[in-house]
Amino acid sequence: SQQGEEDPQALSIQEGENATMNCSYKTSINNLQWYRQNSGRGLVHLILIRSNEREKHSGRLRVTLDTSKKSSSLLITASRAADTASYFCATANQGGKLIFGQGTELSVKP
Amino acid sequence: ETGVTQSPTHLIKTRGQQVTLRCSSQSGHNTVSWYQQALGQGPQFIFQYYREEENGRGNFPPRFSGLQFPNYSSELNVNALELDDSALYLCASRDFITDTQYFGPGTRLTVL
Repeated sequence: SQQGEEDPQALSIQEGENATMNCSYKTSINNLQWYRQNSGRGLVHLILIRSNEREKHSGRLRVTLDTSKKSSSLLITASRAADTASYFCATANQGGKLIFGQGTELSVKP
Repeated sequence: ETGVTQSPTHLIKTRGQQVTLRCSSQSGHNTVSWYQQALGQGPQFIFQYYREEENGRGNFPPRFSGLQFPNYSSELNVNALELDDSALYLCASRDFITDTQYFGPGTRLTVL
């Protein structure tokens, strides 16, 4: 079963705009990871945020984590057509097992 | 490039057959996990191997089994294939220092 939900399920924006995706989860976590997937291929790791962190940046990516609300968000700034993909959040327990959400399908139009 | 490789890329089998999928983990990673991703869904955890022992299993029946070898490569075996086993199978190796898990490109299994 899935850990939680991602919102929205699909997002369509113009190149240059920002994209925000949200993720909610149900149980306590060790860390939360965001992944990108292009057209049913393998998952590309984007960023990991630990349960004791609130915000993390990597290039055009900004991730926040609110453990009291059991939620996280991924912001992609100045989006590009190449950012078109499915984005998944995954929570990890101490054993390393990842539990994924359903994903957000992002479409960036040139 | 994550350094995690999987073979084969695609596979077509018929119901009732058996299949073996293979994964080579990133150098130095001694933990490998397998995930099943049905079309339009997020990946679901099948099981995890650490130093050749299974140390975590998801909600999958015993006909899903695995092995990890001394070089930390791994196999996923599925017996008595069912139509619902059609999916993308992903393996991931874990970096214990950063907790990051790196995924391979996947094997697309179609069961007819």
